[in-house]
Amino acid sequence: KQEVTQIPAALSVPEGENLVLNCSFTDSAIYNLQWFRQDPGKGLTSLLLIQSSQREQTSGRLNASLDKSSGRSTLYIAASQPGDSATYLCAVIGGSSNTGKLIFGQGTTLQVKP
Amino acid sequence: KAGVTQTPRYLIKTRGQQVTLSCSPISGHRSVSWYQQTPGQGLQFLFEYFSETQRNKGNFPGRFSGRQFSNSRSEMNVSTLELGDSALYLCASSTDRTFSPLHFGNGTRLTVT
Repeated sequence: KQEVTQIPAALSVPEGENLVLNCSFTDSAIYNLQWFRQDPGKGLTSLLLIQSSQREQTSGRLNASLDKSSGRSTLYIAASQPGDSATYLCAVIGGSSNTGKLIFGQGTTLQVKP
Repeated sequence: KAGVTQTPRYLIKTRGQQVTLSCSPISGHRSVSWYQQTPGQGLQFLFEYFSETQRNKGNFPGRFSGRQFSNSRSEMNVSTLELGDSALYLCASSTDRTFSPLHFGNGTRLTVT
């Protein structure tokens, strides 16, 4: 059974810091991994999607890496801003016994202080 | 391009009632999936439809059901509501769930009293 874990559960940093959010999964037979952002009371916004054959994806100040063999992904946020404050979720699709379900981690709640 | 639209945004129901939630995907997206989000369990997969066919189903009781229409719009229904069904229900669409990013709506907040 695929399980996704995100560490830390919460993070508070001063504005301008570079930071790393971690995501680990137990079954490496995934199709892809996606990072999302969720603002309070809102739906999820897709940030980056990494296919299983890729090692990383970049969008602006965001960089996500994927190491399938170790079951890990990281989301790197450069020069953090107060507007980055939100909950960040990673999700994987696929796995040996899971061909179609998107499995989410519990999320990391980020607060960036001005 | 319009995003994923979910209606209604808020619902209050009493135990034992049933409810229907609606989701209109992004134009051209044929895959629609539904998720339940609660503080205790996080985001859990309910089911996914592609071209009117249910392709995958999560571990929820039979009280939770869904369907997709020929225009890709989807509905989910919950019968005999329980207090534990109170949650944010999110719908997501994509061109193909496996290889394309998912785009989420803002959800329907269901409160069961």
